[in-house]
Amino acid sequence: GAGVSQSPSNKVTEKGKDVELRCDPISGHTALYWYRQSLGQGLEFLIYFQGNSAPDKSGLPSDRFSAERTGGSVSTLTIQRTQQEDSAVYLCASNGGQGMSPLHFGNGTRLTVT
Amino acid sequence: AQSVTQPDIHITVSEGASLELRCNYSYGATPYLFWYVQSPGQGLQLLLKYFSGDTLVQGIKGFEAEFKRSQSSFNLRKPSVHWSDAAEYFCAVGPHNQAGTALIFGKGTTLSVSS
Repeated sequence: GAGVSQSPSNKVTEKGKDVELRCDPISGHTALYWYRQSLGQGLEFLIYFQGNSAPDKSGLPSDRFSAERTGGSVSTLTIQRTQQEDSAVYLCASNGGQGMSPLHFGNGTRLTVT
Repeated sequence: AQSVTQPDIHITVSEGASLELRCNYSYGATPYLFWYVQSPGQGLQLLLKYFSGDTLVQGIKGFEAEFKRSQSSFNLRKPSVHWSDAAEYFCAVGPHNQAGTALIFGKGTTLSVSS
């Protein structure tokens, strides 16, 4: 597969539980982004990884959200003590790390917190 | 502050009619500009991008967009809409000379196509 892969595609969880969302970027892409898409809110930037640099966490909405990227490839977004307002589609994207390089998006993980 | 505004939340166009989706941006430097499309049940796909040079850029599926610096706009156009164009469209802006900084997206415009 040549595209960005995200798993699971759907996740239903109870309020207060922790969830982990996974992203496999395109091989060789040095930059990886997480966005959140809520109804009527567009795409909200969460966090960005570029190579071995410290990640840009400026978009994370609270300290319940964290992400890591192991070996410069796979990334996991973790949401602790989920709340109903966390329900959204979480999108991962990757590119070659240059500002002009378009983002390649995965199909997202739809998270529903009940 | 950097921002992207798509003034129209939802637009309905008759099949075969022309289309223009508006995008205005606020950015402190020369930006890169993008339009992405998200069809139902599918991921985001790049339609076109502007970096420099000719202010009228051509994209896939017959779309084009024009960069107007004086108006801080990057409107998307298509001369004749097809039913398959029904989707959500996102305008995005990024830094011109900063490698890899995250794109800022607008809230999107949903396009419906009537027969």
